[in-house]
Amino acid sequence: GNSVTQMEGPVTLSEEAFLTINCTYTATGYPSLFWYVQYPGEGLQLLLKATKADDKGSNKGFEATYRKETTSFHLEKGSVQVSDSAVYFCALRGRSNDYKLSFGAGTTVTVRA
Amino acid sequence: EPEVTQTPSHQVTQMGQEVILRCVPISNHLYFYWYRQILGQKVEFLVSFYNNEISEKSEIFDDQFSVERPDGSNFTLKIRSTKLEDSAMYFCASSESGHSNQPQHFGDGTRLSIL
Repeated sequence: GNSVTQMEGPVTLSEEAFLTINCTYTATGYPSLFWYVQYPGEGLQLLLKATKADDKGSNKGFEATYRKETTSFHLEKGSVQVSDSAVYFCALRGRSNDYKLSFGAGTTVTVRA
Repeated sequence: EPEVTQTPSHQVTQMGQEVILRCVPISNHLYFYWYRQILGQKVEFLVSFYNNEISEKSEIFDDQFSVERPDGSNFTLKIRSTKLEDSAMYFCASSESGHSNQPQHFGDGTRLSIL
């Protein structure tokens, strides 16, 4: 079945540091890939998505590129802020009649001023 | 921006009791979902629902669970005879269509505590 493996946290960074969160997946066919973010006390919010190989999703300074050859979808941000402190989830959805999202374990990121 | 709303935000229930978690999906969305996250574990899919039918369910979604769209706006998850291990955060989500490239939009969750 489909699965997502995500870099373990927690990750602690200083403001303006570079952030990378690794995500690799196992799936049949060509899944769609997503990053969701959960700020403290809130629900899951879609951060970005990519639906085919070599697509780059981007939002709020975050980027992730769908790499079919390495089955990866790593999240990056060049200069983090305190407000980026949150839990980040990588997720995939398979094709056809597979309606569910399969999530990674989540990575807690704390950015210090 | 339209959002998925869930009530209550926190539900405390005695073991063995029934509980109903409520969700109002985004108004023009057609597909609805429930997920749960047990503390310290992954977010897990429970069920998807379209056109008043379950379209997919996980092995977690056994006879203890049921879903319903009682009217044009609400989507509910009922858990009968709750167990301690049902304690979790339950998330409702909705999407415009069933296409895999359509993102699912999540509510803030209901924290269910079984005593």
